[in-house]
Amino acid sequence: AQSVTQLDSHVSVSEGTPVLLRCNYSSSYSPSLFWYVQHPNKGLQLLLKYTSAATLVKGINGFEAEFKKSETSFHLTKPSAHMSDAAEYFCVVSDLSANAGKSTFGDGTTLTVKP
Amino acid sequence: NAGVMQNPRHLVRRRGQEARLRCSPMKGHSHVYWYRQLPEEGLKFMVYLQKENIIDESGMPKERFSAEFPKEGPSILRIQQVVRGDSAAYFCASSPTRGTDTQYFGPGTRLTVL
Repeated sequence: AQSVTQLDSHVSVSEGTPVLLRCNYSSSYSPSLFWYVQHPNKGLQLLLKYTSAATLVKGINGFEAEFKKSETSFHLTKPSAHMSDAAEYFCVVSDLSANAGKSTFGDGTTLTVKP
Repeated sequence: NAGVMQNPRHLVRRRGQEARLRCSPMKGHSHVYWYRQLPEEGLKFMVYLQKENIIDESGMPKERFSAEFPKEGPSILRIQQVVRGDSAAYFCASSPTRGTDTQYFGPGTRLTVL
């Protein structure tokens, strides 16, 4: 079985300050982990993914995430927030257990960026 | 290489009507996934299909909902006798292989049931 918990439903930061969006996961197998971003009334865009290679994953738009197996975490960070980063962010886990390719989404974190 | 295409982008139906949502995967992708996003919620898995086969439909409601991915043409998510609670955004994703491969999402179809 697999599950994912996004620890904060809302995060608010000021422009130019760091961003931290937290994600914990549960998986019976070695999981693949993803972060997607969704802007209002838009589809989902892949930010980055982890698939058992380097534990620090760099994505688009300056985002990165670190896979920590001991903490079962995959937190998303960015050193300096931009106004255009305001969106909904989803952490996703997928493994090759009986789920046969089904991905499980977290409930999302809404990021607000204040000027 | 065109991305995942979904149409229509917006669909309005009255209660009791049928809704048909279409998804054309990326070129070369033979795996399709449907997700539903209710207002203020995350995406919930509905069904996973390969060409002419339903692999996992554990997220599909037991009644009124069906999905297919024929040998030719797009994948179809069909909702019969729609109710107000079906109002949501429905997203399709595709991948070239199964399992943990990255899924690429379409722009979604926003269904409104009056």
